[in-house]
Amino acid sequence: DGGITQSPKYLFRKEGQNVTLSCEQNLNHDAMYWYRQDPGQGLRLIYYSQIVNDFQKGDIAEGYSVSREKKESFPLTVTSAQKNPTAFYLCASSPIRTSSAYNEQFFGPGTRLTVL
Amino acid sequence: EDKVVQSPLSLVVHEGDTVTLNCSYEVTNFRSLLWYKQEKKAPTFLFMLTSSGIEKKSGRLSSILDKKELFSILNITATQTGDSAIYLCAVEGITDKLIFGTGTRLQVFP
Repeated sequence: DGGITQSPKYLFRKEGQNVTLSCEQNLNHDAMYWYRQDPGQGLRLIYYSQIVNDFQKGDIAEGYSVSREKKESFPLTVTSAQKNPTAFYLCASSPIRTSSAYNEQFFGPGTRLTVL
Repeated sequence: EDKVVQSPLSLVVHEGDTVTLNCSYEVTNFRSLLWYKQEKKAPTFLFMLTSSGIEKKSGRLSSILDKKELFSILNITATQTGDSAIYLCAVEGITDKLIFGTGTRLQVFP
């Protein structure tokens, strides 16, 4: 089955620790995205990548880092510099946009991160 | 600054009611507007709208876009408890990024 997987489903972290959230897709999509969702707020873009070995900052990149060494993988590291990391993190992917194609993003099941 | 505004933020109805969710936007070089339904975890895709005045329909759900007035509505008729979810509106502009609204939380009671 094609899809996007995220792991772990739940993650607990002590203050001052870095943690890495996994995102894998087998849809052969070129673009991948990381969003953060807080209660009462919409999805906010952290980082996105349109091609292997390249990525761009989104609206709230501070305190986060990513890598894109493989097309199917886009891990997100939440560093100790992120002041309020407790949130629900969603990964998404989409085919690369062309001038004539309109592509929706497909989402993974999410990781709920709690800082203790 | 690009933005997407959804209203109402929250809605409580009884089964069988019809609801209308609103999404207005200000986005440079509009390309498409998308509606997603989010129950517990991953948002699932409902509709993508690119042209004004053309209604998209899927069962009891329908949506339409007005590019002149910069808004879209999502209608759900004969609501069921399974329609309870957060409905997200997102707009794509000049980049590949989606700009999301805050969502409308719909609760349907029997």
